Amino acid sequence: SYVLTQPPSVSVAPGQTARITCGGNNIGSKSVHWYQQTPGQAPLLVVYDDGDRPSGIPERFSGSNSGNTATLTISRVEAGDEADYYCQVWHSSSAVFGTGTKVTVL
Amino acid sequence: QVTLKESGPVLVKPTETLTLTCTVSGFSLSNTRMGVSWIRQPPGKALEWLAHIFSNDEESYTTSLKSRLTISEDTSKSQVVLTITNMDPVDTATYYCARIAIFGVIIPYKFFDVWGQGTMVTVSS
Repeated sequence: SYVLTQPPSVSVAPGQTARITCGGNNIGSKSVHWYQQTPGQAPLLVVYDDGDRPSGIPERFSGSNSGNTATLTISRVEAGDEADYYCQVWHSSSAVFGTGTKVTVL
Repeated sequence: QVTLKESGPVLVKPTETLTLTCTVSGFSLSNTRMGVSWIRQPPGKALEWLAHIFSNDEESYTTSLKSRLTISEDTSKSQVVLTITNMDPVDTATYYCARIAIFGVIIPYKFFDVWGQGTMVTVSS
């Protein structure tokens, strides 16, 4: 099975940049999507196909993907960005989610 | 406006079969560029994909639960149904249905663009 590994937590001060990594074997050859989940809420798509944003998602959210690591970058972090973030890919007709990263805004 | 809404029992007993229904609106289950997945999340844990279905009847299941899962759709009712047999306390989770959007032509890619609110299911005697 395909495994996606994320750091359990990332802490960042308001106004700074948060980077969340998602590691997987040759993940650079796959299309990576990112979801934000605040407590008690359903996940929300924030980045798709490595670095594209759905309408309504701020430009502060961006993504990249190369080699064995994909990265979600949140610029100018705000208090409202505090949430769990999950990466996701498709592998052999199955969806695979990352282990999740809790972003704490200090 | 695209919406998905999950419904089903809040509490089931061990060994029982769970039946969950996802009722969609704002799009058609016949759309060849869309599908529906079920995804669950145990309390305090990560998301786990369970199954998906597309309009061409393509179905897929997570390997670890494949023998216990069945996904089906009723296009006329705009519903996707998931059944899980032999429920166990470890199956206690919030169950989400989500729309799969297929983008791209030469190299298609897909992702979950709209999610339901989720329904919490507890397995306990």
